[in-house]
This record gives sequence, C-alpha cells and structure tokens, in this order.
Amino acid sequence: EAQVTQNPRYLITVTGKKLTVTCSQNMNHEYMSWYRQDPGLGLRQIYYSMNVEVTDKGDVPEGYKVSRKEKRNFPLILESPSPNQTSLYFCASMIEGSGSWIGELFFGEGSRLTVL
Amino acid sequence: GENVEQHPSTLSVQEGDSAVIKCTYSDSASNYFPWYKQELGKRPQLIIDIRSNVGEKKDQRIAVTLNKTAKHFSLHITETQPEDSAVYFCAASYASGGSYIPTFGRGTSLIVHP
Repeated sequence: EAQVTQNPRYLITVTGKKLTVTCSQNMNHEYMSWYRQDPGLGLRQIYYSMNVEVTDKGDVPEGYKVSRKEKRNFPLILESPSPNQTSLYFCASMIEGSGSWIGELFFGEGSRLTVL
Repeated sequence: GENVEQHPSTLSVQEGDSAVIKCTYSDSASNYFPWYKQELGKRPQLIIDIRSNVGEKKDQRIAVTLNKTAKHFSLHITETQPEDSAVYFCAASYASGGSYIPTFGRGTSLIVHP
C-alpha cells in the first residue's frame, strides 16, 4: 500500500529536549516536504527536498532542521524545542508530474507535538 | 512570494444546498491550483486540481473554476451531504528554477447540517 508514515504520532516533550520526527514514503517520490498546521493559519511549509542531499527552506524554517540522506526518508529535527513549536506536523511527498514539479501531495497521518 | 487568501473561513449550509469557497492568489507565475479536504483528525487529501491552461474542471458533485486574469479560483460543491463536512484548503503553486513551494490558504471549515 502506497503511504507516507510518520512517527511518533503524538509526543509531549519539554523545552530544550532535542527530538526527531521521522517520515518515510514507499512510493519512490523525489519530492518530500514538512508542514505545520496551526488553527487559523492553515498549512505552512517548513522545509522541502527535491531529491537526496537537496533541501531548502520553506516559509517557516526557524528552529527546525532536516536531512535527506535516502530517497525514502526525510526526518524533521527540533534541536531545542520551544513552546511555540507546539503544533500538528505533516510530512508529504510528491512524484514529479508531467515533466514538471507540480502534482498531488501525499500526506502522512500527522504528528501532534506539545512542547511544555 | 506567493500569497493565497481563502474565504470564507467558516461556511455552514443545509444538506442539499451548494457551497462555494473562493481563493485569490498574488503571483501570476502560479500555474497549478489544487484543493485538499481534511476530515476531522485526518490528513489532507487532494480532491480536485486545475492547471492554468484550463478554466473549469468537474468531478461529480465538485467543480473548480479558475480566472487567471483576476487571479482567483473557486471550489463549488453541489448537493452537499453531511460527509462533505471538513476543512478545505486551496493552494497555488509553480515550479521554477528547480524549486517548488506550494502556498496554502488558511482553510475553510464547511459544516453541512442534515
């Protein structure tokens, strides 16, 4: 079954304690991305990756890191989490469509993070 | 960068009525406009999309229209059903110079009353 898998789905942590949210896709997609969803603000892109070893900032990258060492994995790293990073996080992947980088985003199930 | 405005933020209709959600975008380079539906506690999923070379697209009870000149696009749902209740997100995006950053609207919470 084609899917994007995120872990953990729920996490409560404390300020300053490093954490990693993993994301894996089994569709051989080249494009992967992280979003955060906050009430009234919609989906905001944190980082994206067009391919292995290629990453770039989205709209709200501050406080986050990513890496893309393998095509299927795109972990999101919070080196020193703060309460304003409490949010619902979605990983997504996309295949190159019709010769251009525009197509359907496949989202993971989401990871709800609370930073105390 | 791109800016997408979505209205209304909340829409309440009676079952069987039509619902219309409108989005405007700022960057004339945007050429792909998807709509995602997010049911409560679930992930966003694509329901329909339209590219800039098309003015309208339909899929059963849902349709999307695009006016490139005015830089706005709309989602139309006819004969609404309770299972249409969800948050709907529009997005505008383009690919340029090896990068792809879709910009989402803030979402519309559609409530369909039985």
